[in-house]
Amino acid sequence: DIQMTQSPSTLSASVGDRVTITCRASQSIRRGLAWYRQSPGKAPSLLISEASVLENGVPSRFSGSGSGTEFTLVITSLQPGDFATYYCQQYDRFPYSFGQGTKVEIK
Amino acid sequence: QVQLVQSGAEVKKPGSSVKVSCKASGGTFSTSAISWVRQVPGEGLQWMGGLIPGLGGALYARLFQGRVDITADTSTHIAYMELHSLRPDDTAIYYCARGDRNDWRLEFWGQGTLVTVSS
Repeated sequence: DIQMTQSPSTLSASVGDRVTITCRASQSIRRGLAWYRQSPGKAPSLLISEASVLENGVPSRFSGSGSGTEFTLVITSLQPGDFATYYCQQYDRFPYSFGQGTKVEIK
Repeated sequence: QVQLVQSGAEVKKPGSSVKVSCKASGGTFSTSAISWVRQVPGEGLQWMGGLIPGLGGALYARLFQGRVDITADTSTHIAYMELHSLRPDDTAIYYCARGDRNDWRLEFWGQGTLVTVSS
């Protein structure tokens, strides 16, 4: 099975900051990587798929990059609603595993 | 627009089973990829398994293999997840999620169903 490792586990930041979250796969997943945001008490929502393609309606302050085993989510100019937990998920190979999550909290 | 509406919260005894439903509207149910995802309170997301309703033949993650059944009824557009031999550590929110782009990215999510296992 493919293991997905996110870093950091927790990140403290302020409104307006730029933050970077990394996701590493234990073997190549090509570009089969999605990023989700989960606000407290809510279901996750899809932000980015195919490693770098923003879903409709997702603000341009979100961007994704990478391929193979190394992927990055960048949020420029953090907004109040962005304080949440972010998960990567590989959907290239069964079973379709998640990273452990990165909590972005207010500094 | 695709919507997924799940059944309500459940309280179950250890050793029993629970069956959670997920009713879909919009899109093409039979060719979508429906997944079930578990989230223990305060923890991360676990992909449990999934199926494409028109094809049948669910796939299961190793952790849940043998204890979970995922099915779907293409006439009612409802997917089901049944978890057997419940333990207290199965207490979690169970989400259904769906992808409509011929792969297993999770574009649409249900609201989640809290299953509490307690004696």
